[in-house]
Amino acid sequence: DTAVSQTPKYLVTQMGNDKSIKCEQNLGHDTMYWYKQDSKKFLKIMFSYNNKELIINETVPNRFSPKSPDKAHLNLHINSLELGDSAVYFCASSRDRGGNQPQHFGDGTRLSIL
Amino acid sequence: AQSVTQLGSHVSVSEGALVLLRCNYSSSVPPYLFWYVQYPNQGLQLLLKYTSAATLVKGINGFEAEFKKSETSFHLTKPSAHMSDAAEYFCAVSSGTGNQFYFGTGTSLTVIP
Repeated sequence: DTAVSQTPKYLVTQMGNDKSIKCEQNLGHDTMYWYKQDSKKFLKIMFSYNNKELIINETVPNRFSPKSPDKAHLNLHINSLELGDSAVYFCASSRDRGGNQPQHFGDGTRLSIL
Repeated sequence: AQSVTQLGSHVSVSEGALVLLRCNYSSSVPPYLFWYVQYPNQGLQLLLKYTSAATLVKGINGFEAEFKKSETSFHLTKPSAHMSDAAEYFCAVSSGTGNQFYFGTGTSLTVIP
């Protein structure tokens, strides 16, 4: 069973469109995250939720809006897509928000903006 | 504030040779430290973690790392490289609350047959 699953795996779309990426974890974890990995492999945290509550909200354009309907799901909606949004987006989860808890990553969603 | 520096964005070793990937951290509190591996088109997988127990930490696939407080380092080693070790490796430091990870910029490991 896949622990952290993201859909879709690939997303190709045009500038200006709105798209969503879904993430689900079956590990029973309380905390979930969204990361952006650019073309140079640099990983930047975007958001984190703990039991559906937003706990980390980094400097991200407000075109990006996370939603957590329950603690097993964290979706990412992006409005008015721009060329610079092209990247790989990773969802992750951890048992709780304790600093000693490793994060478990999904396989990523490769977003390409035409 | 926490940060991580990985020296060497690209490392090449011969198959069977020692692998050494460097990581230095800065942290205002005792850190939790992690190494992750990323294979092409995949997510990050945990290799090992240091959480203030033994300073020499053994991970999966024969990797280990040693926490050296005096040097603020957490270098990753493997005695004998295998072709399957070719991947991107990330060091990360975590703060005590909120579990916010600060990742290094990654080191791409190439294994030469």
